[in-house]
Amino acid sequence: GNSVTQMEGPVTLSEEAFLTINCTYTATGYPSLFWYVQYPGEGLQLLLKATKADDKGSNKGFEATYRKETTSFHLEKGSVQVSDSAVYFCALSANSQGGSEKLVFGKGTKLTVNP
Amino acid sequence: DVKVTQSSRYLVKRTGEKVFLECVQDMDHENMFWYRQDPGLGLRLIYFSYDVKMKEKGDIPEGYSVSREKKERFSLILESASTNQTSMYLCASSGGSEDSTGDQETQYFGPGTRLLVL
Repeated sequence: GNSVTQMEGPVTLSEEAFLTINCTYTATGYPSLFWYVQYPGEGLQLLLKATKADDKGSNKGFEATYRKETTSFHLEKGSVQVSDSAVYFCALSANSQGGSEKLVFGKGTKLTVNP
Repeated sequence: DVKVTQSSRYLVKRTGEKVFLECVQDMDHENMFWYRQDPGLGLRLIYFSYDVKMKEKGDIPEGYSVSREKKERFSLILESASTNQTSMYLCASSGGSEDSTGDQETQYFGPGTRLLVL
């Protein structure tokens, strides 16, 4: 079946540090891959996505590359800010039996950035 | 701007009560979803709907039902609330006609309803 495994947190970094959050997946077919972010007290919002192998998604200084050979979609940022403190979810798309797209989420990684 | 709204941010109910959680989207999306979010477990799909009056069970449908009478509204119903249903509930929507906002796969989330069952 389809599944997503992401590194367990929490992750604590100092401002301007380099961030990597690992994500690997198991899927049938060729899913799209997503990173969502959840700021405190809010719902999830899309951070970036990639729809095919070797695609790179990027947004707000975050990047992730769809690696089919390693079934990975690691999230990176070169210099984190305090405002990046949030929970990050990796997800993949999967077709339901009715044909609509649903998402399979990892368990989330909590990031705290200290000034 | 895409928008998904949920009827309450916080809700306190008693064991055995019938609970309704409402979700409305203004993006003309075909698909709507209900998740619950619990520490250490991430998001788990309860039910989803790909059309009016259509529904499919997700990974944890037990103890829940749903209703989709109109395209923009998707309700989650706890028939008889129990303490193990204390959680954060998130609604999302995706996929629309060519002139609606958003792409077909991306899900747009509401702010969540934090439910406490006593």
